[in-house]
Amino acid sequence: EVQLVQSGAEVKKPGESLKISCKGSGYSFTSYWIGWVRQMPGKGLEWMGIIYPGDSDTRYSPSFQGQVTISADKSISTAYLQWSSLKASDTAMYYCARRFGGGGGAFDIWGQGTMVTVSS
Amino acid sequence: DIQMTQSPSSLSASVGDRVTITCQASQDISNYLNWYQQKPGKAPKLLIYDASNLETGVPSRFSGSGSGTDFTFTISSLQPEDIATYYCQQYDNLPLWTFGQGTKVEIK
Repeated sequence: EVQLVQSGAEVKKPGESLKISCKGSGYSFTSYWIGWVRQMPGKGLEWMGIIYPGDSDTRYSPSFQGQVTISADKSISTAYLQWSSLKASDTAMYYCARRFGGGGGAFDIWGQGTMVTVSS
Repeated sequence: DIQMTQSPSSLSASVGDRVTITCQASQDISNYLNWYQQKPGKAPKLLIYDASNLETGVPSRFSGSGSGTDFTFTISSLQPEDIATYYCQQYDNLPLWTFGQGTKVEIK
């Protein structure tokens, strides 16, 4: 079964660092882009960035450039999203998703989401 | 940046009704438009890719059409299990993906 499994919920304080993960299985992890999507409480979906695990080519949404870092370790089929200094406004659900083929770059497989809560 | 305008933001319809959601791009995006369903507490699910292609396993009551700047998503006969929020998503070659604002579908 093709799946992405994300790390568990996190509760952090402002200023702390955090790295969440997304492990792929059931397919060739190095052959598909993995994207990250934010959903703030009660709000819509926002694309943050994307990485190609095969060569670690990474692209960011202008809205998130410099705010987060996306990385991958292809040896363990895992992509990461990290923050160096969290803010309360980073409180959200974060999803990873596999980019499908096709011209429109749809995301066909999604992780279950990781809830990040930042509160003092 | 390409802006996406999705409408309506919410709708209420009866079981069996035909439901239509539209998404308009601020510039030509060819057929680079996808549709997702998100049920409460769940991850989004891909329904339609490249404007009109039904994802494997998705019921045929869901369909999509359009190209250029104007796109339509249709549920031909609304079912109780279709209660969800639906999002369009466009892709351009920066690369950059942008989601529409979402449409919450409820049963009347």
